[in-house]
Amino acid sequence: QPALTQPASVSGSPGQSITISCSGTSSDIGAYNYVSWYQQHPGKAPTLIIYGVTYRPSGVSNRFSGSKSGNTASLTISGLQAEDEADYYCSSFRVGRSYVFGSGTKVTV
Amino acid sequence: QVHLVQSGTEVKKPGASVKISCKASGYIFTNYAIQWVRQAPGQSLEWVGWINPGHIRYSQNFQDRVSITWDTSANVAYMELTSLQAEDTAVYYCARDIIDTGGFDYWGQGTLLIVAS
Repeated sequence: QPALTQPASVSGSPGQSITISCSGTSSDIGAYNYVSWYQQHPGKAPTLIIYGVTYRPSGVSNRFSGSKSGNTASLTISGLQAEDEADYYCSSFRVGRSYVFGSGTKVTV
Repeated sequence: QVHLVQSGTEVKKPGASVKISCKASGYIFTNYAIQWVRQAPGQSLEWVGWINPGHIRYSQNFQDRVSITWDTSANVAYMELTSLQAEDTAVYYCARDIIDTGGFDYWGQGTLLIVAS
């Protein structure tokens, strides 16, 4: 059961926008609107920043936005800030009532 | 205030078993599922399994070695992993599942499992 495919790293300057892709299949991302994104700083537990493809939990900055097209989901971070430097993981519900995570993307500001 | 508090670091020998706990507070325990996720050193997140009222599901990668249970009277979820190998060395997380969204909104602090002879 391969993981969802993400770019290993993405970088940007403060104030810029970056987009992280998450490529899956018709059995996960393409089948359900159950895509989530997590931010993880070193040594810390992941935190939810996007769920249900486009929804932000209370307290998450509106600089984070999510979308999906076909079998690929995307996370956009606008107005990049130093505190956004972290690892980001996508996740999707998958046929068979299971979940799968992405390979992870290191964002450098 | 929602909290998930996990048990402490475990050190086990190959072939042994481990049972990690996840104590929930601040919400109605049985209204949400509990997910278990692990992260090996320097690696991505890996889904282990989940439990909700009336349903348990495991990753095929752990199908024969993992057991997830919960004690609804004590608001505690458990993950037991048997036949441990060095490759099971990882931080294990429990997380609350926002049902029907695919999102895990609250996470435990993680439990480090070290498997070494």
